[in-house]
Amino acid sequence: ETGVTQSPTHLIKTRGQQVTLRCSSQSGHNTVSWYQQALGQGPQFIFQYYREEENGRGNFPPRFSGLQFPNYSSELNVNALELDDSALYLCASSRGQAQNTGELFFGEGSRLTVL
Amino acid sequence: ILNVEQSPQSLHVQEGDSTNFTCSFPSSNFYALHWYRWETAKSPEALFVMTLNGDEKKKGRISATLNTKEGYSYLYIKGSQPEDSATYLCAFRANDYKLSFGAGTTVTVRA
Repeated sequence: ETGVTQSPTHLIKTRGQQVTLRCSSQSGHNTVSWYQQALGQGPQFIFQYYREEENGRGNFPPRFSGLQFPNYSSELNVNALELDDSALYLCASSRGQAQNTGELFFGEGSRLTVL
Repeated sequence: ILNVEQSPQSLHVQEGDSTNFTCSFPSSNFYALHWYRWETAKSPEALFVMTLNGDEKKKGRISATLNTKEGYSYLYIKGSQPEDSATYLCAFRANDYKLSFGAGTTVTVRA
């Protein structure tokens, strides 16, 4: 069983640029969620995709957007990067419907630094 | 934004000693409470998903209890070992699909 993989692992961008982060979900999982973890804080929910549709969003502005593909892999796009976007971005996949209580399977994260 | 608090923020424990720490969450609209272990340079790994008031779960030397009426969960580590050193995250799920995480308790086990 292939686990959740994220790419790139580290990247550096400058203010105003755009970034795309990628996530391959675990085999058999059709739900993907994205989290932002800033230094000293817990992961903050960005949004979730279930069967290629966004079905939940946290308190993040529209410049944070995403996609889920037919193979259930996913992308997180951030436009007009700001310094405060510097964080670890975690992707997690899970099985079943969005409302299930099941555990999340996380990737190791993408560390974004915005200069 | 739901307030999920974990305490203490960090703790040091001698190898062989037992320890416990707390996760506090809203007592209304409870759906599930998750615990994850996050070792350095790895991905967070699920320990428990708890859904019922009074639930007790155990995995090896680690166990957890849940009180949904008062909004807290305890995680216990019995006979701590160096491999237990990690950040332990709890996450609260209300009557929607969003998980709200605490900031974590970082446990360091000294040999």
